[in-house]
Order: sequence, then structure tokens, then C-alpha cells
Amino acid sequence: SAVISQKPSRDICQRGTSLTIQCQVDSQVTMMFWYRQQPGQSLTLIATANQGSEATYESGFVIDKFPISRPNLTFSTLTVSNMSPEDSSIYLCSVEAQPTHFGPGTRLTVL
Amino acid sequence: EDQVTQSPEALRLQEGESSSLNCSYTVSGLRGLFWYRQDPGKGPEFLFTLYSAGEEKEKERLKATLTKKESFLHITAPKPEDSATYLCAVQASGYSTLTFGKGTMLLVSP
Repeated sequence: SAVISQKPSRDICQRGTSLTIQCQVDSQVTMMFWYRQQPGQSLTLIATANQGSEATYESGFVIDKFPISRPNLTFSTLTVSNMSPEDSSIYLCSVEAQPTHFGPGTRLTVL
Repeated sequence: EDQVTQSPEALRLQEGESSSLNCSYTVSGLRGLFWYRQDPGKGPEFLFTLYSAGEEKEKERLKATLTKKESFLHITAPKPEDSATYLCAVQASGYSTLTFGKGTMLLVSP
């Protein structure tokens, strides 16, 4: 199964700033996914990132707030823009595979 | 719309006290049902995939079962190291993404 790493593992940010989260996979994959897990809540899909095309966002998530890059088949970034305390969550990436495995997550706290 | 409901939200057990966690789901054609374990501040760790009603899978003290409407995660003689949040998720036919429940937080006391 694919090994997924994320950077940073955690961060504390000020409101109004932006943070870019990196996701690296040890093998080439077509589709990568970004999920958010707010405190006490289930994982919610933010978007699907295909290499060479625009990311597809789920209802309630917009590109201006969560821009995603997918420059190659092993790497993706998610930016959380103009952050507010409500963006405090664990952000997780995963890849298209059976079964679905997740990265270790990025724990974001916005003050 | 796919939905996953897990119960109970939290469960406290004594070491050795067996119990079951429930995952009820509705999905437009089930491709797979997944169980994950999640420790605080970390990503979900894959446990099991179940594909069809009647299927069972086991791993150490854990056993997952599946019917057409729900799945159970049975924990036999749990140990304190089994303490974690257990997540259930479904994957619909033709899709790669997962719909998750909110999880059951399990605490096993020595």
C-alpha cells in the first residue's frame, strides 16, 4: 500500500494568515483527496485532486478558501487561506487505492 | 445521499470486558465498508474492509461483521491499548471517496 507523508504535522497560526499543507506519496497515483476533521466531527471530503486538471470541490468548499495544487503524480498541496478559528481542524490527505489509506494528518490551530 | 451513523458515541469498558460498536449506513450501492482506528491527533489507521453482507474479518481482538444495513465491530477481552476512536466509512459503487460516521470513542480501563 502507498505510504503517505504530510508536512507540517501541526501548526499554530494567526487569523487572517494562510497555511500550505504538503502531501507526498511514495508511488504514482491518479487521484488524491483532501479531508477535514473538525473537533468532535467526522472526516469530511474537501476536494479531489487529479494531476493535470482543476481540483473538484465538494459542496461547502470553494477554491478561493482552499486552493489545491497537483503538480505531479506523487505530490499535492492544500492551502487554507485567510484563516479563522473555525478552520482549526486536522487536515488529511489520502489516495485512490483499495483500501483507502490516510496520511498522518496536519493539526491546525488558528488563534 | 450516503449516511453513516455510529453508536454509541463513547464507550467505557473495563479491561477484559467484551462489547460491540455499531455502524448503521445507507448508501446507493455499497462498494465497501471500512473500519479505521484513530488515535488522538493522528490520521486514521486502516483496520478492515467488508464488501458484502455476511462477510466477517478478524484481527487480534477485533472482529468486523456486515449486514445489508449495519456493521458491527466486536472487541473481545479489550486491553487499555485498544483505547482509541473507531471510525466507520462507506464507499459507494463507482466512487473512490468515503463517507464517514462521527466515530465511537473507546476507553478501556485497566
